[in-house]
Amino acid sequence: GESVGLHLPTLSVQEGDNSIINCAYSNSASDYFIWYKQESGKGPQFIIDIRSNMDKRQGQRVTVLLNKTVKHLSLQIAATQPGDSAVYFCAENRGYSTLTFGKGTMLLVSP
Amino acid sequence: DSGVTQTPKHLITATGQRVTLRCSPRSGDLSVYWYQQSLDQGLQFLIQYYNGEERAKGNILERFSAQQFPDLHSELNLSSLELGDSALYFCASSVSGSTKNIQYFGAGTRLSVL
Repeated sequence: GESVGLHLPTLSVQEGDNSIINCAYSNSASDYFIWYKQESGKGPQFIIDIRSNMDKRQGQRVTVLLNKTVKHLSLQIAATQPGDSAVYFCAENRGYSTLTFGKGTMLLVSP
Repeated sequence: DSGVTQTPKHLITATGQRVTLRCSPRSGDLSVYWYQQSLDQGLQFLIQYYNGEERAKGNILERFSAQQFPDLHSELNLSSLELGDSALYFCASSVSGSTKNIQYFGAGTRLSVL
């Protein structure tokens, strides 16, 4: 069936490195994407979103890239900090349907 | 703090029982969403309400029901509970009925069915 998935379940990086979290989506009709961060014991926290009419969007220390040709989404975190350690979810939306979440990638940042 | 309030934070109950989870959306948000998060299923959409009316339904069991009240708070009712219903239940809210708006999540209710 149609789904949003992540290539890497766990990503380990050193503090100060740049992190890249990837997400593949299967439905070419998806036109809205969101990244969420979920820390242990907390609810998902909005990071950044992007619509399909854009290829790139930047926030504070984060950049989302959308490649519609290969149906791929990535979240780049610059100068990763220990506080960035969390599970990251991408979610897609198409038409009037609700958000479909991927399984998540755990980011572990070592000091 | 997302501005979405969920109560209770933890709930422990027995199989066959019924529980009610409560959610207060962010001020000004008209849509409320309920999600179930378990280790093996990830975040699963259950149901959406917009301004008191059901807007969309996901993988919600017939034993589960929800409603949104005139003051926009929402309740998720889970009945005839089974061990497999143990999970985190999240509420999210957004400003409109469109699903292309950012959804802000509460801290969740952890349900343990023993």
